[in-house]
Amino acid sequence: TQLLEQSPQFLSIQEGENLTVYCNSSSVFSSLQWYRQEPGEGPVLLVTVVTGGEVKKLKRLTFQFGDARKDSSLHITAAQPGDTGLYLCAGVGRGQGAQKLVFGQGTRLTINP
Amino acid sequence: NAGVTQTPKFQVLKTGQSMTLQCAQDMNHEYMSWYRQDPGMGLRLIHYSVGAGITDQGEVPNGYNVSRSTTEDFPLRLLSAAPSQTSVYFCASSYSEGLSYEQYFGPGTRLTVT
Repeated sequence: TQLLEQSPQFLSIQEGENLTVYCNSSSVFSSLQWYRQEPGEGPVLLVTVVTGGEVKKLKRLTFQFGDARKDSSLHITAAQPGDTGLYLCAGVGRGQGAQKLVFGQGTRLTINP
Repeated sequence: NAGVTQTPKFQVLKTGQSMTLQCAQDMNHEYMSWYRQDPGMGLRLIHYSVGAGITDQGEVPNGYNVSRSTTEDFPLRLLSAAPSQTSVYFCASSYSEGLSYEQYFGPGTRLTVT
């Protein structure tokens, strides 16, 4: 069974601070996705990283896929209250059944003004 | 386009009752999935479908049935509701593009079983 461990599960910081969320596994994934979920809504895709070592930037958010394609990180620079939400990583498997995503437990992020 | 729609948004059941959660998508996506979301456990896959007439079990399929008679619809049936099935249920559709399977989620159904 493939598992994804996210850390931390909860993070509360002040506006303007930087933070990093980690997503780790012992399994290799063909790609890894990051979603953001607002209360009362379904998750929305932020980014997909595909190549080992790949770095993608989305404004103040930086996503990295580990060289071995087993882990990923999300770094937010100068966090703002609008970044508050639940962040989920999801691993895409390999070969048949690749569409069965494996989700981490989520990181609930609160940015205080 | 409405994307992925789910009904109802809220539901309260008594133990032993049955019901169907509806899910529809208008994006002509081949893949559809049902997840449940519980505090501290992320999203867990219940059942999924790779096309009309084809379904398979996910991580937590017990107590749930699905069918996919059309590309658009993917209902989830609770056969005999139990308190352990109290959760938020999300339906998602997706298509494959290279190594990406972006999931488009519905707004969710919050189910309480008493």
